[in-house]
Amino acid sequence: NAGVTQTPKFRVLKTGQSMTLLCAQDMNHEYMYWYRQDPGMGLRLIHYSVGEGTTAKGEVPDGYNVSRLKKQNFLLGLESAAPSQTSVYFCASSSHTDTQYFGPGTRLTVL
Amino acid sequence: AQSVTQLGSHVSVSEGALVLLRCNYSSSVPPYLFWYVQYPNQGLQLLLKYTSAATLVKGINGFEAEFKKSETSFHLTKPSAHMSDAAEYFCAVSPNTGTASKLTFGTGTRLQVTL
Repeated sequence: NAGVTQTPKFRVLKTGQSMTLLCAQDMNHEYMYWYRQDPGMGLRLIHYSVGEGTTAKGEVPDGYNVSRLKKQNFLLGLESAAPSQTSVYFCASSSHTDTQYFGPGTRLTVL
Repeated sequence: AQSVTQLGSHVSVSEGALVLLRCNYSSSVPPYLFWYVQYPNQGLQLLLKYTSAATLVKGINGFEAEFKKSETSFHLTKPSAHMSDAAEYFCAVSPNTGTASKLTFGTGTRLQVTL
C-alpha cells in the first residue's frame, strides 16, 4: 500500500515549456486534489476532482489544467510554464470523511 | 467563506517545554478542523482532526487540540517538546457538510526545538 505517490519529484523547466505532473493513489479514494505550496502562503488549492471524469477549479487554477481519466490517477498540466509557477506541488486524496492524505510533493522550478 | 489564521510563523521552545501553536478560524458553517505536520522535504501528515464530536482531540505523537467555539480557536499543544517535533505545522478548516470538502490552510508555523 503506497498511499499517494507523485511523479516526478523534481523538475526544471524553461519559460514556455509544458509538462504534466502525475498523482496516483491506491486507497480507492473518490476525491483528489492538487495544491501548490509557496513560502509564507501555506497550501493553496489549484484544482480538485470528486470522481472519475470530473474536475473543478480551486483557489488558484489559472495556468493549469487537470484530468481524471482513471479513478486512481489525477494529472496536473502546465501548458506554458511561467516563473510564477515555481513552487512545490502536492497531490492529496480522500474518501468522503474529509481526511486528506498527501503525497511527497514535486518541486518545480521554472527559469 | 472560511479562513484560518495561525499566529506566529516561527515558534521556538526548549526541549521538554510546553508547545503551544495557535490557530483561529472563521467559518460560516460548523467546521471540521485539522492539524497537519510537515517534516523537511516531505508531504503533510495528519496530526489530528475535529469533526464535531469531543471538543478535546488527541492526535499522534502526544499532540492534542481543543475546539473552542466561543473563541473560534483550535490551538495545538504538547506538554513536553522533543527534538523530533521540529517541523512546520499547518492548521486547516473545511465546512462540515458530511462530504469531502476543500481544505483552507493557514500559512503555517515553523516549530524549532532547542536543547
